[in-house]
Order: sequence, then structure tokens, then C-alpha cells
Amino acid sequence: NAGVTQTPKFQVLKTGQSMTLQCAQDMNHNSMYWYRQDPGMGLRLIYYSASEGTTDKGEVPNGYNVSRLNKREFSLRLESAAPSQTSVYFCASRGILRTESYGYTFGSGTRLTVV
Amino acid sequence: QKEVEQNSGPLSVPEGAIASLNCTYSDRGSQSFFWYRQYSGKSPELIMFIYSNGDKEDGRFTAQLNKASQYVSLLIRDSQPSDSATYLCAVKKNTGFQKLVFGTGTRLLVSP
Repeated sequence: NAGVTQTPKFQVLKTGQSMTLQCAQDMNHNSMYWYRQDPGMGLRLIYYSASEGTTDKGEVPNGYNVSRLNKREFSLRLESAAPSQTSVYFCASRGILRTESYGYTFGSGTRLTVV
Repeated sequence: QKEVEQNSGPLSVPEGAIASLNCTYSDRGSQSFFWYRQYSGKSPELIMFIYSNGDKEDGRFTAQLNKASQYVSLLIRDSQPSDSATYLCAVKKNTGFQKLVFGTGTRLLVSP
């Protein structure tokens, strides 16, 4: 099925460990995003990529890095996980066709717990 | 002031009633407005978007936009228990790259 695929769906890390969250879309979208969602805080933008080869910081980039590997894939890396990074992470891509407006299509999310 | 504000709820309505969800935004230059539905433990799903002042209808959903008042709302007619979810308002800002800013969401509970 077309859409945005995130892996893994669940992860538990120890403080200081590193990991990479993977995201891939097959809708030929140019723009991709990483958000985190915390209770009472809503969705907050971590990093985004306007197009292949470009990345930019969002609202809460500290502690994260990203790679836009190609047009399909946009990964998020935690170099040294901290308990404050316990959250649900969503990858999204943005359509450009008029019927899609500029709304996002979200992946199913990664639930990350840092202990 | 938050860029996009929503009442967290829960908003409780009986089955068959009209649910009215509200959202205000601070950037007067914002151009596009979106409503997402998010079931517990799931990802947000786009249900409506609106650009122009006035109403936009899609099935049981109506989005209303008033740019002068910086206010956008979502009406759900004939509410069903399956509509119980959190509804996120999102705004596309007019500055810089086109990113969406999300409100914290309103939880809707529709009782049978």
C-alpha cells in the first residue's frame, strides 16, 4: 500500500545509547518531516527536508540528526539518548497535487522509551 | 501565546448531535488550515482543509474559516461513537518554508 512507512514501531533504549529511526515514502513527495508528540505538547517539528539533499532544523532539533538518503527515505538519529527523548515520533511527507492540498501523510509512528 | 490554540477537552456529545471544535491562530498571514483526526495510539489522518473564508463541507464534516477573527472550526454533524478521537488543528504559516504548526488537539467523546 502507498504511504509512509516507519521502523521500528516500538523501541526501548538505555540512556546514552544511539539509534536511527527509519522513514520511507512511496508517493513521490518532495518534502519530508520528523515530528515528536508528547502529552499536552502536541506535535512539534524536529527536522524537515524540503527536497532531496536538503535538511533544516525545526522547533526542537537538539539531540537529533537527520539524513535525507534519497527522495524516498528520511532518517532520524539519536546519538546519545536521554529520558527527555521518550516520545512518539512521526514521520510525514507532503503532497503537492492540488487534491492533496499541502496536508501531510503520516507514518504509523515509533514509540520510543529511554530508561 | 501559542501559535495554534485548541481547548483540550474532552468535548462530550451524544450520538446524533453536532460536535463543534474550535481553533485560533496567531499568525495573521497564515494561508491554509487543516483538521486531522487522531485515534488513540494511531497516527494523525487528514480529514479537511480550507483556504478561503467561509464554509467548506465534506460529508458530515464542515470546516469554517474566519481570517479576520483568526478562527477556524470543524463541525461534525450526526456524530457517531466512531468519531471519538482527538482532533488536531494545523496551520500553514506564510513565512519561510511551508511547515505546518499543530495545536495540541481537542479530545471528542461521542456517547451512544
